[in-house]
Amino acid sequence: KAGVTQTPRYLIKTRGQQVTLSCSPISGHRSVSWYQQTPGQGLQFLFEYFSETQRNKGNFPGRFSGRQFSNSRSEMNVSTLELGDSALYLCASSLVVGYEQYFGPGTRLTVT
Amino acid sequence: DAKTTQPTSMDCAEGRAANLPCNHSTISGNEYVYWYRQIHSQGPQYIIHGLKNNETNEMASLIITEDRKSSTLILPHATLRDTAVYYCIVRVAFANAGKSTFGDGTTLTVKP
Repeated sequence: KAGVTQTPRYLIKTRGQQVTLSCSPISGHRSVSWYQQTPGQGLQFLFEYFSETQRNKGNFPGRFSGRQFSNSRSEMNVSTLELGDSALYLCASSLVVGYEQYFGPGTRLTVT
Repeated sequence: DAKTTQPTSMDCAEGRAANLPCNHSTISGNEYVYWYRQIHSQGPQYIIHGLKNNETNEMASLIITEDRKSSTLILPHATLRDTAVYYCIVRVAFANAGKSTFGDGTTLTVKP
């Protein structure tokens, strides 16, 4: 069974631009969560989706948004990029909310 | 979600058992203990989880104290590939549980 896939793997953007990251969960998994990982803050929870509904949200500004499609694939969007948004963005899927999560390889975003 | 405390770093000789402790003294009755690990620049990998009974799978064993205030992850025969950051997380399962709060984890270095 294929694992969680994330695209793109690497991305370079300029301050002020926006970016969309994509995540395809493991087949059959319906819950998708997003995390941001930086050297200074570690792994921080962004949001979680289940059945196309946002179930939980972390403490991030409104510039960070996401959505989930009917096939459980998910996207997250960051608008008006700031230098501090440079990070590894990780997507994790689970069968349903509350089960163990399986992480993708992440998207490395660099904002210049 | 309860807060966890882990040692910053640990060393282990290759072939020996690695015992990684985690303190979660404020754990609630409905919170599970989860362990993940992250090898450099990869997404975290699920290892094992438990509620109050000891658990074992093909990767590791999880020992939870009777009062549930601490646990130990055991890698029975550590290899160089087990060098990683190990995260202990406690969270409620099956309800708003996509939000996993990751601490700083323990950096385990397996030495030849």
